[in-house]
Amino acid sequence: DSGVTQTPKHLITATGQRVTLRCSPRSGDLSVYWYQQSLDQGLQFLIQYYNGEERAKGNILERFSAQQFPDLHSELNLSSLELGDSALYFCASSVEGQGSEQFFGPGTRLTVL
Amino acid sequence: AQKITQTQPGMFVQEKEAVTLDCTYDTSDPSYGLFWYKQPSSGEMIFLIYQGSYDQQNATEGRYSLNFQKARKSANLVISASQLGDSAMYFCAMREGSDRDDKIIFGKGTRLHILP
Repeated sequence: DSGVTQTPKHLITATGQRVTLRCSPRSGDLSVYWYQQSLDQGLQFLIQYYNGEERAKGNILERFSAQQFPDLHSELNLSSLELGDSALYFCASSVEGQGSEQFFGPGTRLTVL
Repeated sequence: AQKITQTQPGMFVQEKEAVTLDCTYDTSDPSYGLFWYKQPSSGEMIFLIYQGSYDQQNATEGRYSLNFQKARKSANLVISASQLGDSAMYFCAMREGSDRDDKIIFGKGTRLHILP
């Protein structure tokens, strides 16, 4: 158990819908990262937050947005969903700026029908 | 160009043998970190080992060691005395440069099968 929690574990929805994925980092970790893992694209970095502020952006679509709240939990919002958004979405957390490992949550498997 | 290259899509190894999973990386940044993660069929990502670009010695964690060859830009993972539970997908990853930006770039992975 990495100490990072993600909810829900599975999500099935239809095209055009909007969903919210939630992540709670390990106790004491200020940075949260979101990744998307799909069969064709592999594991892709989406976005990083540190202590409530956006720090780095990767291959995140405009239809997707995220935020980190004062209690450090984070949410990833996916809107106008398409079939191609079906993937495993991971959240990870780490101690900021130390080059240390990122600890991953169990992931949320999103299926868009 | 790919920043992390894992040339072995799949490997089959006999139980108890040592395994080397290849990883080469591409960066012009003098400060970077290299990671290996394991992803079993259950899907979770498990951190295995970390090597910083300025570390003088190769990282080791139990049965895992990282064969870091900086001039060759190579960071191979060595698993000694493989076990059936080592069957999984293995990802090499790199973090570049700045303290402010901790994003990690992953390779496409190697699927390791340990045979009884």
